[in-house]
Amino acid sequence: DAGITQSPRHKVTETGTPVTLRCHQTENHRYMYWYRQDPGHGLRLIHYSYGVKDTDKGEVSDGYSVSRSKTEDFLLTLESATSSQTSVYFCAIKEGGEAFFGQGTRLTVV
Amino acid sequence: GENVGLHLPTLSVQEGDNSIINCAYSNSASDYFIWYKQESGKGPQFIIDIRSNMDKRQGQRVTVLLNKTVKHLSLQIAATQPGDSAVYFCAEANYGGATNKLIFGTGTLLAVQP
Repeated sequence: DAGITQSPRHKVTETGTPVTLRCHQTENHRYMYWYRQDPGHGLRLIHYSYGVKDTDKGEVSDGYSVSRSKTEDFLLTLESATSSQTSVYFCAIKEGGEAFFGQGTRLTVV
Repeated sequence: GENVGLHLPTLSVQEGDNSIINCAYSNSASDYFIWYKQESGKGPQFIIDIRSNMDKRQGQRVTVLLNKTVKHLSLQIAATQPGDSAVYFCAEANYGGATNKLIFGTGTLLAVQP
């Protein structure tokens, strides 16, 4: 699993509340990514980071923000959760050319 | 997740047959391509990769073919087994550029019939 831990693994939250998902890695990788996965859409890139405090937007960044204050942690925040953000969220790191994924966080917004 | 296969193109094959999964990629500047396998309830797992300066690469029971002219990628699985049943994604990246973004296709569900 390339030392990637996502937390929480499951979360149910109410519409309008802020939510933060955490991705933690233990192997000092520079690049980290957040994806969401929905039926019929595959994996879509939300945001990614190429170093501490260096982040950029992906394909579906609206409604999400990220922070990377230290190498090992990449946080994804839903500023005001909506039902359309119900999804499975995957964190990934890049090692060489490959991306290794965490186990995912299933988020349900009710 | 367990619903990732819904609404996906599906390839159904008999156990022991060869499988070919196809993918069209979008960015002609992409210089690196990867195939991932995703089983229900798990994150994607790396299968095989290929750089844009190659047109074929072989692994154990798998072969990836790249046709840059038509921006097409395929994954061939020899002697398909029930354990190969999963959703398969192609991904493209431009690692020679500034972004290092890895962009995925929508996936294909491979169903292996015993």
